Amino acid sequence: AQSVTQLDSQVPVFEEAPVELRCNYSSSVSVYLFWYVQYPNQGLQLLLKYLSGSTLVESINGFEAEFNKSQTSFHLRKPSVHISDTAEYFCAVSDIYNQGGKLIFGQGTELSVKP
Amino acid sequence: NAGVTQTPKFRILKIGQSMTLQCTQDMNHNYMYWYRQDPGMGLKLIYYSVGAGITDKGEVPNGYNVSRSTTEDFPLRLELAAPSQTSVYFCASSYGRETEAFFGQGTRLTVV
Repeated sequence: AQSVTQLDSQVPVFEEAPVELRCNYSSSVSVYLFWYVQYPNQGLQLLLKYLSGSTLVESINGFEAEFNKSQTSFHLRKPSVHISDTAEYFCAVSDIYNQGGKLIFGQGTELSVKP
Repeated sequence: NAGVTQTPKFRILKIGQSMTLQCTQDMNHNYMYWYRQDPGMGLKLIYYSVGAGITDKGEVPNGYNVSRSTTEDFPLRLELAAPSQTSVYFCASSYGRETEAFFGQGTRLTVV
């Protein structure tokens, strides 16, 4: 079984400041790793994912995440945030052997960017 | 370009009533999922399906039922609504294990 822990429930930051949203996971098998973003009153959208290969993955809007196998972490970072990044962010894992592709989500981190 | 469509968007149920949350996708995805989202709890998987005629339980299936008679549709049934089922429900679909899951806009359900 897998589990995901997002270490911060709320992260307030000022515009143009850097941010890190932390995610740790637990699994007895290899996993795929995902970050999803949820804007107010909307469904979730994929931000980025790690399947294999380079441990550093990037999104089109400046976010990046690094897979650290030894620390079982997949932290999300952005060097300079915008007001429009205000949203809830979810880390998720999926067992690579699982036929159903089920996602196990963390509790979510609410990012609030202030001017 | 509809993607995943859920109906209704909002619903208030009385304890003991039943209802079906509808979900349809037009992307020809084999995998479909139902999640519930509660504040501070993230999303919990209720049921999932890997293809028409095949369904399986997720983390929190009690009080719910599903069916998958076609690739496009994956309705979620609540038989005897309870206050503990007050939540936001999301349907999602994906092409496969390594691919992006697409989510609907959600159904906000309140049981009183």
